[in-house]
Amino acid sequence: QKEVEQDPGPLSVPEGAIVSLNCTYSNSAFQYFMWYRQYSRKGPELLMYTYSSGNKEDGRFTAQVDKSSKYISLFIRDSQPSDSATYLCAPGGPNQAGTALIFGKGTTLSVSS
Amino acid sequence: SAVISQKPSRDICQRGTSLTIQCQVDSQVTMMFWYRQQPGQSLTLIATANQGSEATYESGFVIDKFPISRPNLTFSTLTVSNMSPEDSSIYLCSAWDRASGNTIYFGEGSWLTVV
Repeated sequence: QKEVEQDPGPLSVPEGAIVSLNCTYSNSAFQYFMWYRQYSRKGPELLMYTYSSGNKEDGRFTAQVDKSSKYISLFIRDSQPSDSATYLCAPGGPNQAGTALIFGKGTTLSVSS
Repeated sequence: SAVISQKPSRDICQRGTSLTIQCQVDSQVTMMFWYRQQPGQSLTLIATANQGSEATYESGFVIDKFPISRPNLTFSTLTVSNMSPEDSSIYLCSAWDRASGNTIYFGEGSWLTVV
């Protein structure tokens, strides 16, 4: 089993839709969970960061971690065409500080206006 | 947040040649990493660049092929040696610093095409 698995999509939704992006991971030692957004031909930019289990909300974005099932989710509300990008989940840890992240393959999202 | 600049942003290289990618951070950072992102794939860690000592390479990557330097806390280079078409990829520099908490930042990447 790969350390991090993510459905590559592509996922196509109309503007305004709620989007759910998901990852599973195998290493129960992971404590830090990042979501990066990567536009075409650009470097990844950090979108959300969550520590351990629970939810975190930032504007239209909500990150959810369920460590018992090793399942990570990113929800996007009121999706916009500008959200069209590849979303990468990246867990790390247990001592994430200074530890390089393990990336999923990314889910490509397309939001049409 | 740290701002990371990479040079070149893109290049087309001849088979058998070597190319050095530079990574400059606008502040001192504790750790720097080099990743590779092959077409349609996710990011794969090549190595951790250690300041003042040899880089730490991940399985499948060797120093002879990907020599790395990190002469100070703001700068690192990655050389892709004796290139083949399989080395066509985006190479990404990233950095982490204690002051930034548990956040790793990325440069824009260097897009290499080997012909």
